[in-house]
Amino acid sequence: GAGVSQSPSNKVTEKGKDVELRCDPISGHTALYWYRQSLGQGLEFLIYFQGNSAPDKSGLPSDRFSAERTGGSVSTLTIQRTQQEDSAVYLCASSLAAIGYNEQFFGPGTRLTVL
Amino acid sequence: AQSVTQLGSHVSVSEGALVLLRCNYSSSVPPYLFWYVQYPNQGLQLLLKYTTGATLVKGINGFEAEFKKSETSFHLTKPSAHMSDAAEYFCAVSERGSNYKLTFGKGTLLTVNP
Repeated sequence: GAGVSQSPSNKVTEKGKDVELRCDPISGHTALYWYRQSLGQGLEFLIYFQGNSAPDKSGLPSDRFSAERTGGSVSTLTIQRTQQEDSAVYLCASSLAAIGYNEQFFGPGTRLTVL
Repeated sequence: AQSVTQLGSHVSVSEGALVLLRCNYSSSVPPYLFWYVQYPNQGLQLLLKYTTGATLVKGINGFEAEFKKSETSFHLTKPSAHMSDAAEYFCAVSERGSNYKLTFGKGTLLTVNP
């Protein structure tokens, strides 16, 4: 079946602009995660959604970052007033349920470059 | 707080040689343990995981890892490296109980020389 998909695959933007990154999880997966992969910080957790529960936003680096998940499926990560330090690969993952031993399936990522 | 240390940001082996990638974790209780592989310009793919039971875990592509509680380690091995194994490898942990997010190590880039 289809895996996790993300769009766009690459995004180049100017400092100060807003960007939206999209994630389509595997059908039937109730848990959805966003991670950021950067040279300096490695792989970092950003935010997590489980079903209709309130998301865990504990990993978001600033209030310029927000995310939503509509209808328990597609998720959008929004970065407002982008800064150069936001340049990174943003990875989305989904799993059957938010249980620690469940495999998280990762998408190919969106490479964001802020000029 | 959990943390993961991968010793060696870059490991280079010859084709056919043993692959050993090291991972140590710090956690108040033994967590769930994972190894992921990332090929260039691709997402992460699960190689193997330890949750409970047998401490030697076998994964895809001939890789295996052994959970050693006394050493807080989960090293990844493969008896004979293949050119196609060249990639970046990440060790990750997830805390037992209600926690769910993955905490990753910094990664180890594996190079396989002909």
